[in-house]
Amino acid sequence: EDQVTQSPEALRLQEGESSSLNCSYTVSGLRGLFWYRQDPGKGPEFLFTLYSAGEEKEKERLKATLTKKESFLHITAPKPEDSATYLCAVRSTGFQKLVFGTGTRLLVSP
Amino acid sequence: DARVTQTPRHKVTEMGQEVTMRCQPILGHNTVFWYRQTMMQGLELLAYFRNRAPLDDSGMPKDRFSAEMPDATLATLKIQPSEPRDSAVYFCASGLVTGGQTEAFFGQGTRLTVV
Repeated sequence: EDQVTQSPEALRLQEGESSSLNCSYTVSGLRGLFWYRQDPGKGPEFLFTLYSAGEEKEKERLKATLTKKESFLHITAPKPEDSATYLCAVRSTGFQKLVFGTGTRLLVSP
Repeated sequence: DARVTQTPRHKVTEMGQEVTMRCQPILGHNTVFWYRQTMMQGLELLAYFRNRAPLDDSGMPKDRFSAEMPDATLATLKIQPSEPRDSAVYFCASGLVTGGQTEAFFGQGTRLTVV
């Protein structure tokens, strides 16, 4: 059964203090690892898809990386508006569904 | 600006009542997902459709939940009868399957409270 574990559960940073969020996964065959951002009261917003180990993608202050067992979401010089819950999900071979982790709640203080 | 539209945004109902949630997927998308989100369980897949055909509804309690796609512009999730444990936020997401890749785009959700 596909599993996704995210850590830490919560992270508090000062504005400008860079850090990384972790997503560990086990799947029968990875067909994609997805990162989403979710603000309170809203639906998850798509950020990135990674398909193979060694792949990296960037968007503004965020960079996602992928290995065979985990993915990292690096946040460089975060701002208060980066505060949100970041969700990781995987899709495995033969399935269209995404299996989600429970997320990391990020709070960036000014 | 293409987006997934869900109605209603909020629903409060009494235990035993029927609840219907609706979703309009992004035009052209051929895959629709229904997820439920709670604090304890996070996002759980209830069902998903491809080209309007149900592919997997193993996440749904079959005795009370049903999901359908009457046409390409409408997906519905129905609970009958509703129970307090069904209280959660229900999300619909849609995606376009091309070459085996699917990126799902979520609606704003329906917050259901069963009292």
